[in-house]
Amino acid sequence: KNEVEQSPQNLTAQEGEFITINCSYSVGISALHWLQQHPGGGIVSLFMLSSGKKKHGRLIATINIQEKHSSLHITASHPRDSAVYICAVRNQFYFGTGTSLTVIP
Amino acid sequence: EAGVAQSPRYKIIEKRQSVAFWCNPISGHATLYWYQQILGQGPKLLIQFQNNGVVDDSQLPKDRFSAERLKGVDSTLKIQPAKLEDSAVYLCASRGLQGRFSPLHFGNGTRLTVT
Repeated sequence: KNEVEQSPQNLTAQEGEFITINCSYSVGISALHWLQQHPGGGIVSLFMLSSGKKKHGRLIATINIQEKHSSLHITASHPRDSAVYICAVRNQFYFGTGTSLTVIP
Repeated sequence: EAGVAQSPRYKIIEKRQSVAFWCNPISGHATLYWYQQILGQGPKLLIQFQNNGVVDDSQLPKDRFSAERLKGVDSTLKIQPAKLEDSAVYLCASRGLQGRFSPLHFGNGTRLTVT
């Protein structure tokens, strides 16, 4: 059993759509991280959350510590958002397997 | 600031050969991580250093993998001998000391193919 589960595994959206990626975890955490991995392997840290909600541009991340669940939302999606989105918990010890997002023009 | 540097970018070796990867973290970052990412999976932590000391190496296959960070800056990860299942991207990441909520900075990784 994975300590971090993400859904969906794959997601295809039309440009402009609102996108939600979910992350559930089974371990106690102090913070959850959302990461973006582009083809070619480079990983960028998007958010670090310990409670509530954070917003950066068109990206919004929320976390519910009691329910052990986090969501990453992308508003007005764009083809350049196409990437793998990974959530990680417990000081980056446990990673989800990622959600592969493709945004079609 | 310069990012996390890794080399080589790609490596192809035959099974039972040895290979080494190098990582130079962001200047001043005390914590350094090595991850293994097999195609289609999320990164798996191999080892975490705090300065030149090992914090966690519980998932490092110590019969064939070794890592060091002798001066608390650069780090090397070695595989000897390599197996086919070691084919993966090896990622290095670092973080500063701004408390436990500081973000990770990743290198571009080394893609290893074992034939």
